[in-house]
Amino acid sequence: EAQVTQNPRYLITVTGKKLTVTCSQNMNHEYMSWYRQDPGLGLRQIYYSMNVEVTDKGDVPEGYKVSRKEKRNFPLILESPSPNQTSLYFCASSAGWSRANYGYTFGSGTRLTVV
Amino acid sequence: SQQGEEDPQALSIQEGENATMNCSYKTSINNLQWYRQNSGRGLVHLILIRSNEREKHSGRLRVTLDTSKKSSSLLITASRAADTASYFCATDLDRGSTLGRLYFGRGTQLTVWP
Repeated sequence: EAQVTQNPRYLITVTGKKLTVTCSQNMNHEYMSWYRQDPGLGLRQIYYSMNVEVTDKGDVPEGYKVSRKEKRNFPLILESPSPNQTSLYFCASSAGWSRANYGYTFGSGTRLTVV
Repeated sequence: SQQGEEDPQALSIQEGENATMNCSYKTSINNLQWYRQNSGRGLVHLILIRSNEREKHSGRLRVTLDTSKKSSSLLITASRAADTASYFCATDLDRGSTLGRLYFGRGTQLTVWP
């Protein structure tokens, strides 16, 4: 089944403890992206990647890192999480050829709480 | 950042009625997409309409696009309780520097009562 898989689904952590949220897609998509969703603010893009080793900042990149060493994986790294990073995070992917026709495929989300 | 803005923020209707949601955006687009999100779950792509299209249908969904007014509407006909969800419009901007980026609005919360 074509899908975007995020792990973990839920995570509670303490301030300052480094964490990684994984994202993997099995559709050979070039584009991958991370969003955070907060009440009243909608979805805001954190980072995106147009292909392996090509990443760029979205609208709210502060406090996050990403890497794209393989086409299928796009992990989101929080080096020193803070409470304002408590949010619902989504990974999404799309192929260049299908992006203009079929939109993006989203993962199920990771609910992160930083205490 | 460039965003679509949905209107209304919340919509409450009875089963069988039609639901109409609107989206306005600020700059020229490559395409506009509508997504659905059940509470706390991932977004599901519903329909995409290109900038050179004016109307598109998919099952009970009808999307219109007016590029002169920079607006789009999503119509769900004969709504069902299972249509209860948040609906988001997202714009794919018509600029090379934004390739790969998708800008979302804040969504419309639709509640369909049995």
